[in-house]
Amino acid sequence: EPEVTQTPSHQVTQMGQEVILRCVPISNHLYFYWYRQILGQKVEFLVSFYNNEISEKSEIFDDQFSVERPDGSNFTLKIRSTKLEDSAMYFCARWGGGPGANVLTFGAGSRLTVL
Amino acid sequence: GENVGLHLPTLSVQEGDNSIINCAYSNSASDYFIWYKQESGKGPQFIIDIRSNMDKRQGQRVTVLLNKTVKHLSLQIAATQPGDSAVYFCAETRRPLSGYSTLTFGKGTMLLVSP
Repeated sequence: EPEVTQTPSHQVTQMGQEVILRCVPISNHLYFYWYRQILGQKVEFLVSFYNNEISEKSEIFDDQFSVERPDGSNFTLKIRSTKLEDSAMYFCARWGGGPGANVLTFGAGSRLTVL
Repeated sequence: GENVGLHLPTLSVQEGDNSIINCAYSNSASDYFIWYKQESGKGPQFIIDIRSNMDKRQGQRVTVLLNKTVKHLSLQIAATQPGDSAVYFCAETRRPLSGYSTLTFGKGTMLLVSP
């Protein structure tokens, strides 16, 4: 069972709307990742977040995306104005939680459908 | 840019057969490799990992082989079972693993196991 819980499991939204995806770690960790997976394609890195700051981000993570940890627990990914091509599975991940510390453990994902 | 990719998009085997899933990488600086299994509607799950100072590592029914000369990685699954049906991804990090590295994923291979 994943050690990160993601909500919602599935969200359907209209193009241009704002979406917030949430990740709740069971244990207290400072370092998190967001990955995206368009249907049938590979898992792509979006952003890493450490100690309340963005540590690294990919070309996909443009100005429409933002991450924050608003209450010290939940870890959110916001898409300000969704586009059709934002439809994908979004995974939160952290190191550890598996056979060893050197394992990137993923949540079950949030499916975003943009109409 | 650098990429990690797979040779075969779909592999169909009979239950009990051995399966081999291949992956090629292009960055000779890659230090750490992981195989993930992704079942439908779920996040990637860790299977096995290997560091660049190793050629082979075995787990339960799985073996990962690393050939640094040709930049090739393979996952062998012994006595494949219907429950092994999933998409398998290789992933790599491009700097020494500190616990905070960003993983880059390959495209994925669908493994279909027939009873």
